[in-house]
Amino acid sequence: AAGVIQSPRHLIKEKRETATLKCYPIPRHDTVYWYQQGPGQDPQFLISFYEKMQSDKGSIPDRFSAQQFSDYHSELNMSSLELGDSALYFCASSENKAGNTIYFGEGSWLTVV
Amino acid sequence: EDQVTQSPEALRLQEGESSSLNCSYTVSGLRGLFWYRQDPGKGPEFLFTLYSAGEEKEKERLKATLTKKESFLHITAPKPEDSATYLCAVQAGGATNKLIFGTGTLLAVQP
Repeated sequence: AAGVIQSPRHLIKEKRETATLKCYPIPRHDTVYWYQQGPGQDPQFLISFYEKMQSDKGSIPDRFSAQQFSDYHSELNMSSLELGDSALYFCASSENKAGNTIYFGEGSWLTVV
Repeated sequence: EDQVTQSPEALRLQEGESSSLNCSYTVSGLRGLFWYRQDPGKGPEFLFTLYSAGEEKEKERLKATLTKKESFLHITAPKPEDSATYLCAVQAGGATNKLIFGTGTLLAVQP
C-alpha cells in the first residue's frame, strides 16, 4: 500500500540558509500535517492543511511557512535556519474526518551546522 | 489544556515477560486515542485507534484498552523485535484533527 512520501530524507544546511521539505500524501488523503521531533522528544505539531487551505497552526516559527498544492502535496519552507531547527520533520496525511487514522512518513532529517 | 502523559518513560523486559504501558490524558472532547510504534530515526507506525471508553483492540502480541482517563497498551510475551518507542496521542474535539502526543515509552526487550 502507498505510504506518505517525504523528501529529502536527509539534508545538512548552514545557519541562516533556507531549506525546503516536500511531502506526498497517501492517495485520496486531503489533509496534510507537519510535525517536528527533536532528539528524545515527542512530535510537536507545526501546521496542517485541508484542501489546500491552512486548517490549523501549532508551534511553527515565523521563519517557517508551508503550503499545500493542487495535487495535495505539501512543502515546508524554512528560512534563516538556526542550530535549534535541527530535528526530524514528519509529514502525515489523513482523510479529513475526525478519528480517521493519521499516517506518518519516514521523516526528513535536518541538520543545521 | 489538552495533555497526554505516558509512563513509564523507559521499560526493560525479558523476552516473554508481559507488561503494560500507560497513557493518561486530559482532553476536551476525545475524538480518538491513537497508539503508534516508532523505531529510531523512523516515522511513527500506526498501531491502534480507540474511540470510546471500554473499547479494546488487539494486534499480535499487543492489546490496547481505553477508559475515560487513560489507555493501556498490554504487551504479552514480548519478543526482542517489539523493542521500540511507543507513542500515545489524542485527537481532541473542535475544528482541528491534529494529534497531541505524549513523550513515549522506550521499550527494550532482551533475549
